[in-house]
Amino acid sequence: NAGVTQTPKFQVLKTGQSMTLQCAQDMNHEYMSWYRQDPGMGLRLIHYSVGAGITDQGEVPNGYNVSRSTTEDFPLRLLSAAPSQTSVYFCASSPDRGGRRYFGPGTRLTVL
Amino acid sequence: TQLLEQSPQFLSIQEGENLTVYCNSSSVFSSLQWYRQEPGEGPVLLVTVVTGGEVKKLKRLTFQFGDARKDSSLHITAAQPGDTGLYLCAGAGNQGGKLIFGQGTELSVKP
Repeated sequence: NAGVTQTPKFQVLKTGQSMTLQCAQDMNHEYMSWYRQDPGMGLRLIHYSVGAGITDQGEVPNGYNVSRSTTEDFPLRLLSAAPSQTSVYFCASSPDRGGRRYFGPGTRLTVL
Repeated sequence: TQLLEQSPQFLSIQEGENLTVYCNSSSVFSSLQWYRQEPGEGPVLLVTVVTGGEVKKLKRLTFQFGDARKDSSLHITAAQPGDTGLYLCAGAGNQGGKLIFGQGTELSVKP
């Protein structure tokens, strides 16, 4: 099993550009989530999904969209990138809402 | 809103020393997870504590869940350079089972 995979590993965007961060898992987990990690702020939840076709907002959803068309994939879309979105983004999956999170390797995003 | 306060934020010690990291909240959590993260990688689960007062040991690491399930601690005995990393606590609470993460403790163990 590959676990949770994320692409790309690194990305540089200009302000106003859009892009999609890809996330896939092969553990058949129903629960998937996106976090951003900034120095001194731990991991903050952006969006999450409890199953295909169901998504909801986390603590910091503004500027991001998600969709969940399959159990395996949970892409995160930045609609119009801003410098405040410079961060490291982690995708995670879990067999249940409150259970252990399996994290991907992260995407380091810089918005100029 | 449930919050988890982790302390200290930074810790730099010499090999062989002991240390304790604290994770505190005013809210009750159904369980508390501890993760370790190395540079350039995602966090990896170390342990989950579920019962108030529970103590779990993982080699030189001892994890404790407070009796009231509002706080937890991680104690490392005789720290080694391989223990260097970011330690995160995360609580599963009443917000739809979402995990709430603490700010993290950056540990550096010097040889």
